[in-house]
Amino acid sequence: EAGVVQSPRYKIIEKKQPVAFWCNPISGHNTLYWYLQNLGQGPELLIRYENEEAVDDSQLPKDRFSAERLKGVDSTLKIQPAELGDSAVYLCASSFGKNIQYFGAGTRLSVL
Amino acid sequence: GQQVMQIPQYQHVQEGEDFTTYCNSSTTLSNIQWYKQRPGGHPVFLIQLVKSGEVKKQKRLTFQFGEAKKNSSLHITATQTTDVGTYFCGPDSGYALNFGKGTSLLVTP
Repeated sequence: EAGVVQSPRYKIIEKKQPVAFWCNPISGHNTLYWYLQNLGQGPELLIRYENEEAVDDSQLPKDRFSAERLKGVDSTLKIQPAELGDSAVYLCASSFGKNIQYFGAGTRLSVL
Repeated sequence: GQQVMQIPQYQHVQEGEDFTTYCNSSTTLSNIQWYKQRPGGHPVFLIQLVKSGEVKKQKRLTFQFGEAKKNSSLHITATQTTDVGTYFCGPDSGYALNFGKGTSLLVTP
């Protein structure tokens, strides 16, 4: 069984540029999470989807961040425009309901 | 969700020594999960504890859930270099708990 797939693995952009991350969850997992992880910190939830509905986006900086999960499967997280402080690892995870979360390898973003 | 307090933040042990990390919440949890993240890797699920006072073992790892379901611990007996990484507790299935900051374990041979 394939795990959670994220792309790209690495992204380097200049500040003020847009960037997008893609996540394909484990087949059958209806809940999808986007996390931000800074060095030496735990994952911080940005948004949680149940199917195609964003049920918790309270920590998503909506002025520059957006996310979508149109068909309740794949999801995209976008930042526009990126700032220096956005440099971090962006993790996607999925679960079946309120169960164990399985994480993807993450996208490491560097904003120059 | 609230964030738990994990202690210690860092721990450096000699291979063969024991290690314990603690996770404390101010509110009662429905359950708690433990994850391990190797350096440069992503969090990997270890175990979920549900019942008050529950104790589960995975080889050299022992997980406990407090009687009041407000705290949990992970104990590793006779650490090995493969145990290096950061151990996180949380979240619970009610999403009332965010991931803690984790305890980073360094094991030197």
